[in-house]
Amino acid sequence: ILNVEQSPQSLHVQEGDSTNFTCSFPSSNFYALHWYRWETAKSPEALFVMTLNGDEKKKGRISATLNTKEGYSYLYIKGSQPEDSATYLCASGAYNNNDMRFGAGTRLTVKP
Amino acid sequence: DGGITQSPKYLFRKEGQNVTLSCEQNLNHDAMYWYRQDPGQGLRLIYYSQIVNDFQKGDIAEGYSVSREKKESFPLTVTSAQKNPTAFYLCASSRQSGTTGELFFGEGSRLTVL
Repeated sequence: ILNVEQSPQSLHVQEGDSTNFTCSFPSSNFYALHWYRWETAKSPEALFVMTLNGDEKKKGRISATLNTKEGYSYLYIKGSQPEDSATYLCASGAYNNNDMRFGAGTRLTVKP
Repeated sequence: DGGITQSPKYLFRKEGQNVTLSCEQNLNHDAMYWYRQDPGQGLRLIYYSQIVNDFQKGDIAEGYSVSREKKESFPLTVTSAQKNPTAFYLCASSRQSGTTGELFFGEGSRLTVL
């Protein structure tokens, strides 16, 4: 994988459902993986910055895992709420060189 | 409140005109970045600056120019040499340069070339 890829492109779930999506990134020269949440008409906001293989991070109902050897990260949302509706971006950085590569995002819609 | 302010939010430009997008931060961050978003694509880095009076090209710097005369400000000029300037532009900053620093974003500027 040469670029950062996110799947699915979009997702519609019912309130209360748990959901997850994937970020795949180049595993060679990996240095850091970021997840951002971007609500419509607002600024993207950081959820997690992860660097270590096997790392798991949690913020409320949202958690993320990281596998640097195979080049993927999962974002999980437990008990989705309408306010979770947003586009979730992941970005991968190689070495420590200021150049984060972003995926196109997963657009989540949570229906009440 | 601390944050990143981008202006204008919407901008229309005629072909052949240069236009400057403003980005100001009051977070006291050293590093600042400009990204471009096109439909269906990830954010792409145009320019970044690690410190005042220094900046580096990103992947898609052709047709763009920047300056960093003050720590708080990192304006982006879209020149007439940029072949396809219609896009959404995001400015960001981080406490530390490098890929471990969390990015703080503005709300973006949408440029449309008529």
